[in-house]
Amino acid sequence: AQKVTQAQTEISVVEKEDVTLDCVYETRDTTYYLFWYKQPPSGELVFLIRRNSFDEQNEISGRYSWNFQKSTSSFNFTITASQVVDSAVYFCALSDATDSWGKLQFGAGTQVVVTP
Amino acid sequence: ETGVTQSPTHLIKTRGQQVTLRCSSQSGHNTVSWYQQALGQGPQFIFQYYREEENGRGNFPPRFSGLQFPNYSSELNVNALELDDSALYLCASSLGDAEDTQYFGPGTRLTVL
Repeated sequence: AQKVTQAQTEISVVEKEDVTLDCVYETRDTTYYLFWYKQPPSGELVFLIRRNSFDEQNEISGRYSWNFQKSTSSFNFTITASQVVDSAVYFCALSDATDSWGKLQFGAGTQVVVTP
Repeated sequence: ETGVTQSPTHLIKTRGQQVTLRCSSQSGHNTVSWYQQALGQGPQFIFQYYREEENGRGNFPPRFSGLQFPNYSSELNVNALELDDSALYLCASSLGDAEDTQYFGPGTRLTVL
């Protein structure tokens, strides 16, 4: 079954600390795509990053980095040197061939609170 | 800015009424998906349209229906509103291939009284 688990409900940090968000997924497909979205208080989901199942190379993009490990079905996301503007709910999502491509299965989200 | 717009921003309806929510996708994006997000939860997939045809549906009853038009606009219609339909409704557009990223609009907050 297709499933995304974000075990952390809320993470509170002080500005400039690093924040790592955990995501564990389940899928029977060998081809799938993983995403991270950010939802600030305004409500709009903002796309952050996407990885496909064949590319386990971990990358850094500015203050964002991610760690994709197929062996543990994890797709963790790190914000380095957090800022107050990073305060938002972060969602991990999975897309595979279950039901239909394009159906994003979201986790429950992790609330990140960054205080000055 | 994603180029995806939704209207209205907020809406209040009473139980049993019908509602139409609208979305305008990015130009060139042939696929639109609709999601329902209850308070404190992740978005739930309602359905997806590709070139004006339904292309996948989540676990939602038939009173949730949709339309997609050639001008990259789309609608979500909900009949016989129930209190549990109160949520943020998000539309997302994409090019249409499996690996494409979905870009979301700002959402419509629906309150059913």
